[in-house]
Amino acid sequence: GIQVEQSPPDLILQEGANSTLRCNFSDSVNNLQWFHQNPWGQLINLFYIPSGTKQNGRLSATTVATERYSLLYISSSQTTDSGVYFCAVYGNNRLAFGKGNQVVVIP
Amino acid sequence: AAGVIQSPRHLIKEKRETATLKCYPIPRHDTVYWYQQGPGQDPQFLISFYEKMQSDKGSIPDRFSAQQFSDYHSELNMSSLELGDSALYFCAGRENTEAFFGQGTRLTVV
Repeated sequence: GIQVEQSPPDLILQEGANSTLRCNFSDSVNNLQWFHQNPWGQLINLFYIPSGTKQNGRLSATTVATERYSLLYISSSQTTDSGVYFCAVYGNNRLAFGKGNQVVVIP
Repeated sequence: AAGVIQSPRHLIKEKRETATLKCYPIPRHDTVYWYQQGPGQDPQFLISFYEKMQSDKGSIPDRFSAQQFSDYHSELNMSSLELGDSALYFCAGRENTEAFFGQGTRLTVV
């Protein structure tokens, strides 16, 4: 199946800092999504981004499908950005998740 | 957001009991997925349905079964529960290749 690797696994940020999370995947895909799992466990859709660049407030994402990676940018981080960020790609009739990026934003 | 509803939100069961988790996708979702997420783990694919027919199967134990009904809701049935089944169980609906997850059911087996 498709392999999804996320880096870094853990990240501690000072409030107001910027960060970049990376997702590498092993095969061509026709869907890539970024999710934020909040402390209550809910998976929140951030981006549906099989290719190109999208922005939503302080978050933006870029997927370069030909090179099989995606980046999630967090700017001016806030404590509410804490949680786990998952990249998931659609292949073989299912969404395959990476191990996630655990982000802690400290005030 | 395309709202997938799951019930119950929390469930506590004893070992060897059975549990039934329910998922209510919205009508636009042509595919329903079930995932299991253990503590500190990423979600693992269990099973999926496309237009009410089972379409794919992942690492789902034989003790688990699932189905999708004529009204498109889906149920995950879990029997002979084990301590290791304690996890967050997600259902997701797919709309135009984008997946939307429900709030999850947190199952605790004691």
